[in-house]
Amino acid sequence: GAGVSQSPRYKVAKRGQDVALRCDPISGHVSLFWYQQALGQGPEFLTYFQNEAQLDKSGLPSDRFFAERPEGSVSTLKIQRTQQEDSAVYLCASSLSGGNEYFGPGTRLTVT
Amino acid sequence: DAKTTQPNSMESNEEEPVHLPCNHSTISGTDYIHWYRQLPSQGPEYVIHGLTSNVNNRMASLAIAEDRKSSTLILHRATLRDAAVYYCILRDVYGGYQKVTFGIGTKLQVIP
Repeated sequence: GAGVSQSPRYKVAKRGQDVALRCDPISGHVSLFWYQQALGQGPEFLTYFQNEAQLDKSGLPSDRFFAERPEGSVSTLKIQRTQQEDSAVYLCASSLSGGNEYFGPGTRLTVT
Repeated sequence: DAKTTQPNSMESNEEEPVHLPCNHSTISGTDYIHWYRQLPSQGPEYVIHGLTSNVNNRMASLAIAEDRKSSTLILHRATLRDAAVYYCILRDVYGGYQKVTFGIGTKLQVIP
């Protein structure tokens, strides 16, 4: 079937606004990851889900970042009160438990 | 987690072979060596992985040093479509969840 999809592909937010980024993983994939990628850098881990359980959120940079995956499939990354330093590409990846990760195209967030 | 070091950038002429090096001197006995690549404006995609023996697939070959402290991704005939950032990462052989570190990767430029 289809690969990992993310929406929106591009998001411009004014500083202080809240944003929600969506990830549709590959059907049947147990594991779901969120990464943040700043310009010119590699992806940086944010958080990991196994089904609906968030098992690791150690990479979330502040309590303004929140992720959920309530039914073990679609996931949403929410950023509250966006700041300019939040501008980055947010990547979602899914995998069968322990397998290779399949990445989505990312959402480019620009905070003005 | 064990880290890898790669050159920041490399150049290759089109249709020439390319050897992309990766050092992982602190690799553990249970770490697989994985390579991903990221084309412009896309998420990373899996290329190849190996544990001890050299590996070949339709995209590339992976040569692993006998002491496993380094590896080389080999593209046999570089094309313009191979211009991307290549990441070498380590992932535990027992699978399951593992937070991986991507680093900056090697930006490959292919010259027509």
